[in-house]
Formats: sequence, C-alpha cells, structure tokens
Amino acid sequence: AQSVAQPEDQVNVAEGNPLTVKCTYSVSGNPYLFWYVQYPNRGLQFLLKYITGDNLVKGSYGFEAEFNKSQTSFHLKKPSALVSDSALYFCAVRDDKHNAGNMLTFGGGTRLMVKP
Amino acid sequence: DAGVIQSPRHEVTEMGQEVTLRCKPISGHNSLFWYRQTMMRGLELLIYFNNNVPIDDSGMPEDRFSAKMPNASFSTLKIQPSEPRDSAVYFCASGEGIQYFGAGTRLSVL
Repeated sequence: AQSVAQPEDQVNVAEGNPLTVKCTYSVSGNPYLFWYVQYPNRGLQFLLKYITGDNLVKGSYGFEAEFNKSQTSFHLKKPSALVSDSALYFCAVRDDKHNAGNMLTFGGGTRLMVKP
Repeated sequence: DAGVIQSPRHEVTEMGQEVTLRCKPISGHNSLFWYRQTMMRGLELLIYFNNNVPIDDSGMPEDRFSAKMPNASFSTLKIQPSEPRDSAVYFCASGEGIQYFGAGTRLSVL
C-alpha cells in the first residue's frame, strides 16, 4: 500500500522569505512523487514531479522539491515566497510496481499563507 | 486542448433527487479518475477507469453512487438518491503519469 503524510495543516511565511511544505511517503517499490497546487474554486494544478534522477526537481512558478530516499521525504520549497503563492498544496505518490496502476495517493493538503 | 471539462460547475438539488455529473477527459488520455473533496475528509478517490473499464471503485461510498465511461471521451458520475452529506466538490481528472484536473462541480444537496 502507498501513503502520504503532510504533517502541517497550515504554513505561514512572510513575503520574501523562503518556504518549505513538508511531505513524507510510504511505498512498497520505488516512488513517483508529485506536488499539486489548488487555488480557491479551482481544480488541482500540477507543479512538479520526481520519477528518477536528480534529487532536486524544479517546477512551475519557481518551486522546487527535494527527494530524500533515506528520510522518505519530498519537501516542497521556494527561495522567496510571494503573496500569490497562498494556496492549498497537495503531495501525491504512486508506486512504480506494475500492479499499482495509475492511481495517485494524495496527502491531506497544507494551506500556505504568505503575508505581505 | 481545452483540458478536462466538467459540467455543470454548480449544482443545487433537493434531497432524494438524482444528480448526474459529467466529464470530458483530455483527448488521448486512457485513465480517468473521479474524486470528491470536502473540508472534513479532504480529497478522496472515488473510482478509476483505464481504457473505459472501471479498475478500482473501492472509494465509491455506497450503492447510491455509480459511474460510467461509455467511450474514451465521456464519463458520468451519478448519485441516486442524493443526500445532504453528498454535498462536496467533485473533480474529474485524466492522465497516466501526471493527472490533469477539471475545474470541479460544486454540489449542494438541500
């Protein structure tokens, strides 16, 4: 079985400061990891993914995420937060085992609040 | 491509009525997913289709919920009869690796 944990319901950061949104995962095989963002009254939008290769993945809007296999983590980061980054962020995982299909398991979401 | 298209965007109905939500996936995508999002339960996967065949429906809450995918370009999620606890935002998504989400249908059952 695959699972994802986002330990923080909300993260508050001041504009211009670095931000981190935490995610840990559990899979049987190797993980495919994703971050999505959801703005109010919108569907989830893909930000970035890790499949294999470099542990630091760069994505949309200046976001990046670091894959750490030993800690089973995939934290989302941005060097300088913008007020417009305020949204709900979801981490998701898929097991690379063939019988896992294409289903993603999503975390509970973390609300990011960036204050001016 | 216009992305995943869901209709209607908003639906208000009375308890006991039948509700049908519609989804047009992105052309060429073989996998389609229906999710439900509420404040209490977060984002829940209801059902997953691959090549128009239901693969996993373990998330469907009860027999009042049913989903079909008659062809590669159309899927429906039906609730009959609807209950107030079904009030939520329902999302459709398509894609094999990255999932692309529609804008959702906000359902209110009074």
